[in-house]
Amino acid sequence: NAGVTQTPKFQVLKTGQSMTLQCAQDMNHNSMYWYRQDPGMGLRLIYYSASEGTTDKGEVPNGYNVSRLNKREFSLRLESAAPSQTSVYFCASSPGQGNSPLHFGNGTRLTVT
Amino acid sequence: DQQVKQNSPSLSVQEGRISILNCDYTNSMFDYFLWYKKYPAEGPTFLISISSIKDKNEDGRFTVFLNKSAKHLSLHIVPSQPGDSAVYFCAASELGNTNAGKSTFGDGTTLTVKP
Repeated sequence: NAGVTQTPKFQVLKTGQSMTLQCAQDMNHNSMYWYRQDPGMGLRLIYYSASEGTTDKGEVPNGYNVSRLNKREFSLRLESAAPSQTSVYFCASSPGQGNSPLHFGNGTRLTVT
Repeated sequence: DQQVKQNSPSLSVQEGRISILNCDYTNSMFDYFLWYKKYPAEGPTFLISISSIKDKNEDGRFTVFLNKSAKHLSLHIVPSQPGDSAVYFCAASELGNTNAGKSTFGDGTTLTVKP
């Protein structure tokens, strides 16, 4: 049982380049999330999808777009990468009820030069 | 305005002793609290949770205490083991379908357990 799988694990971009971070879960969860973690800081919510077909902004959505492709997959796109987007990105999923913990992937470490 | 705060960036304890990690929150709408553990190069993993109708929840060596009036929670690890060395994140959420399980995280406390 893989849980939450993120690809790629590492990525280096030049300023202005674009890329898509992929995330898939095999737990039949309704809700999925994208968080970023900067050094010495906690996880900040970028976007989330409460259920298939819906997406909503989180705390730090600027510079990102998301697509909930189906119930399993939730992708995060950087259209024009900036050095401020250098971070570790975590995808997570949950059944969607407030009293369920999040299940995280192992992260994508992104560096923008 | 940080709604969940972990004021101690790091904590070092001796193996076998108690580790106490603290967390404060400001949003009175939070009614479900979680602790996650994170090892380097891995994603956070769920450790223990507590809802606002309780003041204590225990799971083996881990106990979480909630003081709603003070908007404070703590995680106790007894006895501490070297394998507990990790970053611990406190998180809070609002129960209810409209919130879709979103959590707000603290900045984390790095626990080091010395053999």
